[in-house]
This record gives sequence, C-alpha cells and structure tokens, in this order.
Amino acid sequence: DIQMTQSPSSLSASVGDRVTITCRASQGISNHLAWFQQKPGKAPKSLIYAASSLQSGVPSKFSGSGSGTDFTLTISSLQPEDFATYYCQQYDNYRWTFGQGTKVEFK
Amino acid sequence: EVHLVESGGGLIQPGGSLRLSCAASGFTVSNSYMSWVRQAPGKGLEWVSVIYTGGSTYYADSVKGRFTISRDNSKNTLYLQMNSLRAEDTAVYSCVRGYYDNSAYYPHYWGQGTLVTVSS
Repeated sequence: DIQMTQSPSSLSASVGDRVTITCRASQGISNHLAWFQQKPGKAPKSLIYAASSLQSGVPSKFSGSGSGTDFTLTISSLQPEDFATYYCQQYDNYRWTFGQGTKVEFK
Repeated sequence: EVHLVESGGGLIQPGGSLRLSCAASGFTVSNSYMSWVRQAPGKGLEWVSVIYTGGSTYYADSVKGRFTISRDNSKNTLYLQMNSLRAEDTAVYSCVRGYYDNSAYYPHYWGQGTLVTVSS
C-alpha cells in the first residue's frame, strides 16, 4: 500500500495566521490527492481533490498544491472555524490511504 | 442534499458478528462508488472495503474473508457484514461516497460513523 506521511502532527496558530501542512506519498500518485477537515463528532468534510481543486462551497482561503509525491495544504488566514484536524489522502487506486492527521489548535 | 447515516454499531464479543448499515439520501447507492473507512480510537484512518457501481468488491487484507460489503438498491442502503470480529476491529466505521475525477475516485461525502467495540 502507498504510505502517506503528513506533517506536522499538530500545530498551534492564531487567528489570521497562514498555515501550511505537508503530505508525502511513498510513491508517485500523480495528482490523486485529497484533503479533508474533521471536527470532533462530525463527519469529515472534503476540501480539495486532485491536489489543488477546491470542492464546491469551500472558501478560497484553502488551497492545495503538488504532484507526484509532495503536496501541501495552505490556509491563508486562519479563522476560528478552521481549528480542526486535517487529513491528506491518496486515491491513486481503490486502496485509499491516509495521512496521520494534523491537529490545528489555538495558540 | 447528500446524507449518509450509519447504524448497527455496538458492543460485541470477540468472534461475534455485526451488520452495519449506511442509509443514503440525495443520490442512488447503486450508481455510486461506495466505501467503508474505519478509525480506531486514537489511531489513523483505514480504508476497509469498496463496492463499485458494477458490483465488484475489494477488501483490505486485515478484513478479507471476514467482512462483506453489499448494497440493497430498493432501500438505497449500503451494508458491511462483519464476522469473526477481533479486538483490533474496534473502531468508528464510516461509509463514504466516492466521486470520479481524472481516472480515480476520491472520497466526497462521509457519514458520521457508527462505533463498533469488540470486547469480552
């Protein structure tokens, strides 16, 4: 299976900060990379697919980039509703695999 | 609007069986790529199984031969039959609708999940 290494595992940030999360695949996955957000007790919410395509309804403060093995998720200006856990996930084949998650906490 | 609601979780003894259900609304399960994903307490996410629109099914090695994914088109519901349950199967199980893009399916909609606890 393709291994996904996500970093950092957690970060502390303030409202208005720019936040960047990275994700590395153990082999090339083209742009078959998704990012999603999860809040406690809630279903995960899809943010980005195809590495950089914003899901409908997701604000433009979220952006993704990368191809092959290295990817990033950037939140341009952190807002209170953005404090959550973020996951990357590869879908290059049906055996989806996930990063370990990055918990974004209030500083 | 798409909704996925899982049910059927609970406390079960090792070696027992459970059937999870995922009731879908806002789309047709039989025309969709549907998966089950689980998350053990304090652990990461793990893909469990998938059923394609054509009916082909695939499983993670950890559950192959013990779990069966299926769907009931008349009820627009996805199922996961889990047999020979082990302590390591303890997790929140979520159903996920995949969406096709550029030759692959990515998870688009998730349910909130149902907790399965395997313990004596």
